[in-house]
Order: sequence, then structure tokens, then C-alpha cells
Amino acid sequence: SQTIHQWPATLVQPVGSPLSLECTVEGTSNPNLYWYRQAAGRGLQLLFYSVGIGQISSEVPQNLSASRPQDRQFILSSKKLLLSDSGFYLCAWSDSRWGNTNTGELFFGEGSRLTVL
Amino acid sequence: AQSVTQPDIHITVSEGASLELRCNYSYGATPYLFWYVQSPGQGLQLLLKYFSGDTLVQGIKGFEAEFKRSQSSFNLRKPSVHWSDAAEYFCAVGAITGGGNKLTFGTGTQLKVEL
Repeated sequence: SQTIHQWPATLVQPVGSPLSLECTVEGTSNPNLYWYRQAAGRGLQLLFYSVGIGQISSEVPQNLSASRPQDRQFILSSKKLLLSDSGFYLCAWSDSRWGNTNTGELFFGEGSRLTVL
Repeated sequence: AQSVTQPDIHITVSEGASLELRCNYSYGATPYLFWYVQSPGQGLQLLLKYFSGDTLVQGIKGFEAEFKRSQSSFNLRKPSVHWSDAAEYFCAVGAITGGGNKLTFGTGTQLKVEL
């Protein structure tokens, strides 16, 4: 079966420090990968998605970047954190195949709580 | 552009009572629709999904949802709520594209269950 893991689960960082959140998927190949941010009362905001190694699309301009160095690894980074980067970050994967086997859902990791002080 | 509205930010029900969480969507074609549940500090778990066929779909934990195209709604229901159902619930609408599965989420409904 497929599993998704992200770490660290909790992170407290000073303003201006770098960030690296990592996400890995097991049990599937060539998944689509996503980074979402969740802020209270605002639902989930899609930050980045990737349909293949080295292919990153950004949905909103921001202080963050994403990379996909391996098929099942997705990394969220920042060179200098801002207070506004605080939030709950969720990694997700989906099937990349066309046809009836892909019914559209995303599968989420456990989340990473980032607090920038 | 696709969008989702969950008009109820907070709902409180008594244990054993019935539950209905509202979801309205905007989408140009037949949508893929989802309900997810999130416990505090956790990721999202898929409750159920609709993409074709029978408009009444059954999910895990005794939940069901009905797709009503004429009302652009996909409301979540449960006949008898348990205390363990207290969580935040998200409705999502999406499509499968060459750029991945594009899901748009509502802002969520926080469910409180009174014992």
C-alpha cells in the first residue's frame, strides 16, 4: 500500500532563517506531488505541485520554493523565513495516470507545523 | 475558476443527533467532489468522493453525501453522530488535468459534539 511521510512534524524558526520541509511517498511510482498551506479559517491553499522530477509549478507568488530531486521526494524550502510563513504545511500525492484508475483524490501526509518567531 | 463554499464555520450537535454539513461548488463541467476530515494537528483523511454514477455516495465512518447538480451542492450527512466525529470537515471540488489533480478546498466546518 502507499504511504506518505513528511517531516519535521513541528518546527520553530527565527525570522530570516532557512527552511526545509521534506516529504516522501512510498508504494507508488511517478506520483503527482503537492504542497499546501493551511491557515486558520482560510482552508487549504495550494502552493506548489509537481508532475515529475524537476518539474515544479507555483500557484502563488511567495517566499517559498519547492524541489523534486527524486521521483517520490518533494521538498519545500525558504532561504529567509518571514513571520507570515507560519502555518500548517501539508504534502499530498495523487495518481498521475489517466483513466478510471484515477478518481481524482489527494492523499495527505500528517502535516508540519511551522512557527516563525 | 472552480470554487467551494462551506457556509457554516462552526456546527454543534448532540451525540446521537443527525448531522448535515453544507457544501456548494462552482465548476464548469461535471466535477469531482470530495469530503475530507481533519483531526487537530493531523493531515486530511478522505471520507468519500463522487466522480460519476449514483449521486448518493457512501463513505467511511457512516458518512454519506448527495450530489445535486441542480443545486450545485454536495452535502455531507450522518444519521447519528458520535463524539469521535468532532473534527474539521473540508469539501473540495476538482478535476484531473495534465497538471495533476487540481482540488480547490472550502474553508472548512468545525464540528463540535456535545455529550
